[in-house]
Amino acid sequence: NAGVTQTPKFRILKIGQSMTLQCTQDMNHNYMYWYRQDPGMGLKLIYYSVGAGITDKGEVPNGYNVSRSTTEDFPLRLELAAPSQTSVYFCASRLLAGGTRDGELFFGEGSRLTVL
Amino acid sequence: GESVGLHLPTLSVQEGDNSIINCAYSNSASDYFIWYKQESGKGPQFIIDIRSNMDKRQGQRVTVLLNKTVKHLSLQIAATQPGDSAVYFCAENNPGGSNYKLTFGKGTLLTVNP
Repeated sequence: NAGVTQTPKFRILKIGQSMTLQCTQDMNHNYMYWYRQDPGMGLKLIYYSVGAGITDKGEVPNGYNVSRSTTEDFPLRLELAAPSQTSVYFCASRLLAGGTRDGELFFGEGSRLTVL
Repeated sequence: GESVGLHLPTLSVQEGDNSIINCAYSNSASDYFIWYKQESGKGPQFIIDIRSNMDKRQGQRVTVLLNKTVKHLSLQIAATQPGDSAVYFCAENNPGGSNYKLTFGKGTLLTVNP
């Protein structure tokens, strides 16, 4: 299994541009998440999904959109990039099935986004 | 403010010593806690978890202690090795509202000196 794969790894955007961060997982996990991590800070939840066709807002959803048309894919869309969105973005998945390690999020390697 | 936080933002230890990383949480309803390790340039990785009906859980070289009275969580790493150098995050699961979101603390940077 490849686990959680994010693309691109690095991207520089100009203010007002749009882009999509791709995330795919091959573990058949039901839950998927997008977090952002600012320098020296913890992870802030942007959006999450409990299954295909179902998404919900996290702590910091403004300026972002998501979709979950399949179990495998959970893309994050930035419509009008702003400097405040400069961050490292992590996608994660989780198999919530009442098992012993329900809290185990499997993270991708991250996507470093800079908005100038 | 954040419901999950850390007492020490940085910790420096000698190789072979034991390390203790602390975490405070404010939500007494949180029922599940997890420690993650994040190496430079990588995503966080699961280390160990503990449910609120337990006080202690041991893994390989790691132990998590939960003190619900003072809402405190700690991660103990035995015989710390250079490969343990990383940022360590605690996370809590709050059953209020959605049961499927984890709240992460800011993290503690552990540096192991050879």
